[in-house]
Amino acid sequence: KAGVTQTPRYLIKTRGQQVTLSCSPISGHRSVSWYQQTPGQGLQFLFEYFSETQRNKGNFPGRFSGRQFSNSRSEMNVSTLELGDSALYLCASGRDTEAFFGQGTRLTVV
Amino acid sequence: AQKVTQAQTEISVVEKEDVTLDCVYETRDTTYYLFWYKQPPSGELVFLIRRNSFDEQNEISGRYSWNFQKSTSSFNFTITASQVVDSAVYFCALTRPSNTGNQFYFGTGTSLTVIP
Repeated sequence: KAGVTQTPRYLIKTRGQQVTLSCSPISGHRSVSWYQQTPGQGLQFLFEYFSETQRNKGNFPGRFSGRQFSNSRSEMNVSTLELGDSALYLCASGRDTEAFFGQGTRLTVV
Repeated sequence: AQKVTQAQTEISVVEKEDVTLDCVYETRDTTYYLFWYKQPPSGELVFLIRRNSFDEQNEISGRYSWNFQKSTSSFNFTITASQVVDSAVYFCALTRPSNTGNQFYFGTGTSLTVIP
């Protein structure tokens, strides 16, 4: 059974640009969550999608957005990148209260 | 409000020693779930265990064991006879069942280094 797949693994962007990250959940999982991990703030919840609907949202500015497709794949978009957006972005898929994470996308903003 | 505290930031042990990672949580919910994840340098959070609030039985899986005590709001993780491959950052997390979605609350993690 394939795990959670995140692409790309590494990304370097320039301040002011926008970026889209992709997450393919485990087959059969309808919930996809996104987390930002930084050395200073730790793991912070961004948002969760379930059956193409955003079900829950963390405390992040509107520059962070996401969506989920009918096949449960999810994308996360960050517009107008700031240096502070440099982080490891982790995606998790699950059913009920479980969560299995991907390897993450390491975003560096320069 | 939910909160998870991992007071140990870094731990170093010599191979074959036992080590316990502490986790203390706060929640007002009566139904909740506790987790431990391992994060190796590759970045992926590897699921280790899930425990619900109604099951206080300790669990053992190979060299890993978990001690859940509701009276002290703790969910500690012990690695017996540690190995170099156990070196990683370990996170404790809490979530609660909700129709409005699952949000995991993570501790700040404990970085474990096992010295050969």
